[in-house]
Amino acid sequence: EDQVTQSPEALRLQEGESSSLNCSYTVSGLRGLFWYRQDPGKGPEFLFTLYSAGEEKEKERLKATLTKKESFLHITAPKPEDSATYLCAVSTGANSKLTFGKGITLSVRP
Amino acid sequence: DTEVTQTPKHLVMGMTNKKSLKCEQHMGHRAMYWYKQKAKKPPELMFVYSYEKLSINESVPSRFSPECPNSSLLNLHLHALQPEDSALYLCASSPPGDTQYFGPGTRLTVL
Repeated sequence: EDQVTQSPEALRLQEGESSSLNCSYTVSGLRGLFWYRQDPGKGPEFLFTLYSAGEEKEKERLKATLTKKESFLHITAPKPEDSATYLCAVSTGANSKLTFGKGITLSVRP
Repeated sequence: DTEVTQTPKHLVMGMTNKKSLKCEQHMGHRAMYWYKQKAKKPPELMFVYSYEKLSINESVPSRFSPECPNSSLLNLHLHALQPEDSALYLCASSPPGDTQYFGPGTRLTVL
């Protein structure tokens, strides 16, 4: 059975304090690993898709990396507006099903 | 444009009501999804439509009835819901097997 574990559950940072969010996974054949940002009461906002180990993608203060066992979402010099829940999900097989982690709630204090 | 739209934004209904949630996308995606999300939990898959055909039903109770009238539209018909069905209902679309793009959700409250 596919499993996705995100850590820590919650993270509080000072503005400008860089850190990393972890997503470890156990799957039988990864098709893609996805990062989403979700604000309270809103739908998940797509951030990145990673397909193979060694792949990296960047967008503004965010950088996502992928190994054969885990993915990291690095946040450089975060701002209060980066406060949100960050969801990691994996897909395996052709049936389009996503397995989500429980999410990481990030709070950035000014 | 990676926009998925959902209506209504909020819905309050009694346990004997019949209502429908609507979802629309114009990205040419041929896979569309319904998810249910409870507070502080990740989204839970309910249904998947692929090329307008129901391909996955995650053992959802029959009081939820999905419909895909065409490749851009997805409906979720609701009847005789229970208070525990109150949640955020999310629609998503994707190229088959690839990145899913989510709508803003419908906040459903069942009284």
